[in-house]
Amino acid sequence: AQKITQTQPGMFVQEKEAVTLDCTYDTSDQSYGLFWYKQPSSGEMIFLIYQGSYDEQNATEGRYSLNFQKARKSANLVISASQLGDSAMYFCAMREMDSSYKLIFGSGTRLLVRP
Amino acid sequence: AAGVIQSPRHLIKEKRETATLKCYPIPRHDTVYWYQQGPGQDPQFLISFYEKMQSDKGSIPDRFSAQQFSDYHSELNMSSLELGDSALYFCASSPDSYNEQFFGPGTRLTVL
Repeated sequence: AQKITQTQPGMFVQEKEAVTLDCTYDTSDQSYGLFWYKQPSSGEMIFLIYQGSYDEQNATEGRYSLNFQKARKSANLVISASQLGDSAMYFCAMREMDSSYKLIFGSGTRLLVRP
Repeated sequence: AAGVIQSPRHLIKEKRETATLKCYPIPRHDTVYWYQQGPGQDPQFLISFYEKMQSDKGSIPDRFSAQQFSDYHSELNMSSLELGDSALYFCASSPDSYNEQFFGPGTRLTVL
């Protein structure tokens, strides 16, 4: 069965510094997709970045980049130049390549940015 | 840009009552997903629809049912509500199953 593991329940980072949120996954599929979502205290799920299993380059979206290491089955999110507004819950998710392509989520990492 | 719309945003019900949650996907998105997020938990997949047909079913109780209508909006019907049904319910839509899912703001259901 496919599984997503986020081993950091909570993290602190100083404003303007970079931070890495860890995500490892387990799948026997050759084709899969990995996502990161941000969930602020208001509750909405905000899509941040996507990495396909066949993408040769690491995905980047503004201050967000995904450090994809396929052999290690890891897809860590790197946030550069942290801002106070980055304080939120961050979920790593994998798209199952079954009939619906539903998302399987990790348990999340709560990030707090210190001024 | 248009986003996924969910209504109501907040809902308070008593035990054993029924609730209907509505989802309006982004225009031209033909795939809809429902997820349930309990307090302090990650979202769990409930059910999905593609072109108005159910495409997959997760850990959805028999007390829950859902459908997608001709205009692609979807409704999640929940009957005989229990305290444990209190959660944030997300709807997400996708232009096709292969691309990213865009989440709505969620409906926060509280069962008293």
